[in-house]
Amino acid sequence: EAGVAQSPRYKIIEKRQSVAFWCNPISGHATLYWYQQILGQGPKLLIQFQNNGVVDDSQLPKDRFSAERLKGVDSTLKIQPAKLEDSAVYLCASSLSEGNSPLHFGNGTRLTVT
Amino acid sequence: SQQGEEDPQALSIQEGENATMNCSYKTSINNLQWYRQNSGRGLVHLILIRSNEREKHSGRLRVTLDTSKKSSSLLITASRAADTASYFCATEDMRFGAGTRLTVKP
Repeated sequence: EAGVAQSPRYKIIEKRQSVAFWCNPISGHATLYWYQQILGQGPKLLIQFQNNGVVDDSQLPKDRFSAERLKGVDSTLKIQPAKLEDSAVYLCASSLSEGNSPLHFGNGTRLTVT
Repeated sequence: SQQGEEDPQALSIQEGENATMNCSYKTSINNLQWYRQNSGRGLVHLILIRSNEREKHSGRLRVTLDTSKKSSSLLITASRAADTASYFCATEDMRFGAGTRLTVKP
């Protein structure tokens, strides 16, 4: 089966600019997650979708971050405006169901904010 | 919500030795999962253990779960240089800790 696809692979922007990341999960996977991983740290959950509904966005900085999952398939994560501390790898993952099946991760988007 | 917390933070061993890393969590769980992350890549699922299981094996991996102590351990036997990676645990809410950074020296 095809894996989780993410794009772009790398992105460099200046602070206060906007950026968007795209994720295409494995076909049939109902649950989709976005994580932020700062260098040297573990992945931090930003938002979890079940189909096209939000299950958990308690750690999403909603003043600048937004995410959507149209038609319960692809998802986009946006940052507007970006700050220096947003420099990180943004990982997308999907699973068949919530909480009791393995997550499949994409290779992430590495964001550098200068 | 809760997240697993792994320890030690870092572990360095020689090829052929066994590596043990631990995970602690705070509330009751239905299952716990272990993941590996090689540098610059996404996480890869290793094993899922359910709350009614005490031990599970997959190749050179052995995972134990002690629900009374709210802890789990991952044992990698006969380690190889290719096992060098970070290892994470997660409960059902899929929140990860800081991980254990394993270095296996050839």
